[in-house]
Amino acid sequence: KAGVTQTPRYLIKTRGQQVTLSCSPISGHRSVSWYQQTPGQGLQFLFEYFSETQRNKGNFPGRFSGRQFSNSRSEMNVSTLELGDSALYLCASSLGQEETQYFGPGTRLLVL
Amino acid sequence: AQKVTQAQTEISVVEKEDVTLDCVYETRDTTYYLFWYKQPPSGELVFLIRRNSFDEQNEISGRYSWNFQKSTSSFNFTITASQVVDSAVYFCALSEAKTSGSARQLTFGSGTQLTVLP
Repeated sequence: KAGVTQTPRYLIKTRGQQVTLSCSPISGHRSVSWYQQTPGQGLQFLFEYFSETQRNKGNFPGRFSGRQFSNSRSEMNVSTLELGDSALYLCASSLGQEETQYFGPGTRLLVL
Repeated sequence: AQKVTQAQTEISVVEKEDVTLDCVYETRDTTYYLFWYKQPPSGELVFLIRRNSFDEQNEISGRYSWNFQKSTSSFNFTITASQVVDSAVYFCALSEAKTSGSARQLTFGSGTQLTVLP
């Protein structure tokens, strides 16, 4: 069974731009979570979607948003990029809320 | 609030040595889950193990073993006869079981960089 896939793998943007990252979960998984990883803050939870509904959200500004489609694929969007948004963005999928989360390879975003 | 502490930032060992990675957690919940993930240089977090708070039985999987002690709020990870391929960052994580309809998020420790030298 294919793992979690994320596209693109690398992105370079400039301050003020917006970016959309995509995540395809493991087949059959309905829950998708997003995490941000930076050297300074470590791994931090962004939000989680299940059946197209956001069920939980971390402590991030409103510039960070996401959505989930009927096929469980998810996108996250960051508007008005700041230098501090440079990070590895990891997506994880699970069968449901009680299940183990499996991670994708991540998208490395560099904001210049 | 929940918290995970991995006090060892970096560990370096020589191949075939045993190494233990420490993890201490804090939570007010009586029901929770503990995890270990491995992050190689490629960046992907690889799931290693999950334990629930009611199961304190230690587990062994090949060269890997885990020691869960609720009395000290610790969930330590030991690699026996380490190999160069074990070099990676290892993360301990905690999630609290929430009421139905609400999602569970992972709280990660800061990670331990393990380097196994040939």
